Amino acid sequence: QSALTQPPSASGSPGQSVTISCTGTDSDVGGYNYVSWYQQHPGKAPKVMIYEVTKRPSGVPDRFSGSRSGNTASLTVSGLQAEDEADYYCSSHAGGSNPYVFGTGTRVTVL
Amino acid sequence: QVQLVESGGGLVKPGGSLRLSCAASGFTFSAYYMGWVRQAPGKGLEWVSDISTSSTYTNYADSVKGRFTISRDNAKNSVYLQMNSLRVEDTAVYYCARENWVPADWGQGTLVTVSP
Repeated sequence: QSALTQPPSASGSPGQSVTISCTGTDSDVGGYNYVSWYQQHPGKAPKVMIYEVTKRPSGVPDRFSGSRSGNTASLTVSGLQAEDEADYYCSSHAGGSNPYVFGTGTRVTVL
Repeated sequence: QVQLVESGGGLVKPGGSLRLSCAASGFTFSAYYMGWVRQAPGKGLEWVSDISTSSTYTNYADSVKGRFTISRDNAKNSVYLQMNSLRVEDTAVYYCARENWVPADWGQGTLVTVSP
């Protein structure tokens, strides 16, 4: 199972929006409604920001939103804030003996 | 709330063994698959292994198959990862995860360093 493809970096100024893509296949992103997005600050554990493609856990600001078109999922962060600067990873259920696959990761920089 | 606490990491020589533990609380442990995910220094996330609710099914990444063994004790709300024949490339932070088709909750991680 290959890793999902994410852009290595993305950036925006405070208050702007940034969108990160996560491209997979019919066997993962396009085949299941189980795509999650994780935020990871340096030295910290990943934190779920979006699950099941579009759902937001309680406590996650509504500035974070998820969507999907075909085999590509996206995470949009609106109204960028300094604390949003982090690495972001997507993950999708993939079935079979390799149950899920991660994206390659995107470093978001707030300019 | 969900809490996952890993332990057992450390420094080991190539060919050595370590056993990681993860103590879970805040949810019905026996109702969820549990897994291990690792992150090598400066690298991305890599799924390592997972185990079904009653231990009937276990899965392993090709990179650890035959060397790592996952197990769980539902009475103790704990999941374990026995790591044998460790290699330098196994050096990583190992995270325990509650799974709900994908990782839904993460522990804080435990560092495993394999070095001569």
